[in-house]
Amino acid sequence: SQTIHQWPATLVQPVGSPLSLECTVEGTSNPNLYWYRQAAGRGLQLLFYSVGIGQISSEVPQNLSASRPQDRQFILSSKKLLLSDSGFYLCAWSFHLSGSPGELFFGEGSRLTVL
Amino acid sequence: SQQGEEDPQALSIQEGENATMNCSYKTSINNLQWYRQNSGRGLVHLILIRSNEREKHSGRLRVTLDTSKKSSSLLITASRAADTASYFCATDSQWGGSEKLVFGKGTKLTVNP
Repeated sequence: SQTIHQWPATLVQPVGSPLSLECTVEGTSNPNLYWYRQAAGRGLQLLFYSVGIGQISSEVPQNLSASRPQDRQFILSSKKLLLSDSGFYLCAWSFHLSGSPGELFFGEGSRLTVL
Repeated sequence: SQQGEEDPQALSIQEGENATMNCSYKTSINNLQWYRQNSGRGLVHLILIRSNEREKHSGRLRVTLDTSKKSSSLLITASRAADTASYFCATDSQWGGSEKLVFGKGTKLTVNP
């Protein structure tokens, strides 16, 4: 069966510090991978998605970047965090299907607080 | 950009009652999905309905889709306290960027015992 791991679960960082959130998927190959951000009491904002190694699509211009160094690894990074980067970050994967995306499988999330 | 928009934003009911949540979207879709999120956790997929389907059931869940009105509803029958969570609809886009799934802001459901 497939599993998704996301870490760290909680992070408190000062403004201007770097960030690295990591997500790995097990039990499948060539998944679509996604990073979403959820502000307090809000919906999910799609940040990045990837359909293959080295293929990253950015949805929102911002202080963040994403990389996919391996087939089942997705990393969210920032060189200098802003207060507005605080939020709940969710990684997700789906089977790589042609056409419409199917079900997304989410990790447990990483709560980032920037002080 | 936000594709789906849930209504109401919050809903409080008693155990045993039915809960209905609505979702409206803007552009043509291939499918619409509903997810559940317990507080502070990741989202869990509940049900997917395709654009050529009008109604779908899964246990105590009933989802309808009206593509002419660009709307969907999620009905939870005989609610339980354990159904307390936020519920989100998510849509793809029929026109390009088909790998993306865009979520609404969610409905926060509270089921009182």
